[in-house]
Amino acid sequence: AQKITQTQPGMFVQEKEAVTLDCTYDTSDQSYGLFWYKQPSSGEMIFLIYQGSYDEQNATEGRYSLNFQKARKSANLVISASQLGDSAMYFCAMSNQAGTALIFGKGTTLSVSS
Amino acid sequence: GAGVSQSPRYKVAKRGQDVALRCDPISGHVSLFWYQQALGQGPEFLTYFQNEAQLDKSGLPSDRFFAERPEGSVSTLKIQRTQQEDSAVYLCASSRGRLSSGNTIYFGEGSWLTVV
Repeated sequence: AQKITQTQPGMFVQEKEAVTLDCTYDTSDQSYGLFWYKQPSSGEMIFLIYQGSYDEQNATEGRYSLNFQKARKSANLVISASQLGDSAMYFCAMSNQAGTALIFGKGTTLSVSS
Repeated sequence: GAGVSQSPRYKVAKRGQDVALRCDPISGHVSLFWYQQALGQGPEFLTYFQNEAQLDKSGLPSDRFFAERPEGSVSTLKIQRTQQEDSAVYLCASSRGRLSSGNTIYFGEGSWLTVV
């Protein structure tokens, strides 16, 4: 069965610092996708970044980058130059092989202070 | 529309009441997903539609939960005889196609259900 593990319930960082949110996954599938979403207190899930299992380069989207280590089954999110607006819950997720669902981790709460 | 639209945004139901939650996906999106998110937890998959076909309903917790998408666009999630454990945010999401093709899914703001 597929599983996503996020071991950091909460992370604290100061503005302008970089932060890494950890994510490990378990799957026997050869083809899968890894996603990161941000969920502010308003509740909406906001897509941040995607990494395919066959992608050789780490994905980047603006201040977000995904540190993909396939052999270790990890897909950590790196946020550079944190901003106060980055304070939110962050979820790592993986698609199932059929592509009919995303499996989510329990999330990490990020708090950015000035 | 520009994004996934869900209604109602907030619903308070008495235990035993039936509720219906509506989702209007992004125009042209073939795939539609429903998720349930309890407070402080990650979203849990409920069901998946490709156009009007419900291809995966493995996450529906009981036969009180029913979803449909009769014309391949708007979808309704119905919960019969609501119970307190049904209290959660129900998230709808859509994508151009299956996730195995690298498609991204986009979520609505959710319907917050409280059963009293």
